[in-house]
Amino acid sequence: NAGVTQTPKFRVLKTGQSMTLLCAQDMNHEYMYWYRQDPGMGLRLIHYSVGEGTTAKGEVPDGYNVSRLKKQNFLLGLESAAPSQTSVYFCASSLTERQPQHFGDGTRLSIL
Amino acid sequence: AQRVTQPEKLLSVFKGAPVELKCNYSYSGSPELFWYVQYSRQRLQLLLRHISRESIKGFTADLNKGETSFHLKKPFAQEEDSAMYYCALKDYGQNFVFGPGTRLSVLP
Repeated sequence: NAGVTQTPKFRVLKTGQSMTLLCAQDMNHEYMYWYRQDPGMGLRLIHYSVGEGTTAKGEVPDGYNVSRLKKQNFLLGLESAAPSQTSVYFCASSLTERQPQHFGDGTRLSIL
Repeated sequence: AQRVTQPEKLLSVFKGAPVELKCNYSYSGSPELFWYVQYSRQRLQLLLRHISRESIKGFTADLNKGETSFHLKKPFAQEEDSAMYYCALKDYGQNFVFGPGTRLSVLP
């Protein structure tokens, strides 16, 4: 019973490098979300998806891209990493917009 | 833009004492409010939501639209309640806004 799985758990990048964070859920949820968590600021929504093939911008989308090619996966991409993107990234999913969100363990990303 | 504030970064109470974690929000419409909790070494999880009007683990929260607050309360704190608590607001669309969180420490 994995729920929401995020890979990798940790990553260190150099400024300008690119990478993709993977979020996978095995609950057949329609909605998926990517958040970043920074000290003293809580979680901020980056992008979200209301179903396979659809994505939308959240509160802080700049510098990130996402894709939802398969219902169970929601990818978060950084095309050119910047130190300001150093953060802990959380993925979440929910069955519908009114159902509780289930969170992953988070990915700690450091940009040097 | 909608905002969620939690004025206390850290709240320490003794076991058996009442606890209240404050949450205030700003939103022009009718929001949905939630409390999420993260226990040590566990994932963030939903504690309760205002539309359910339920008590979970002895916690309750009432939405006060006049004061734009959604404070979380428990009459008798337990040591296992020690955790990080986040208040969150969902707007008319799909946007969720989380507060900065309050760390509750229940002392023996």
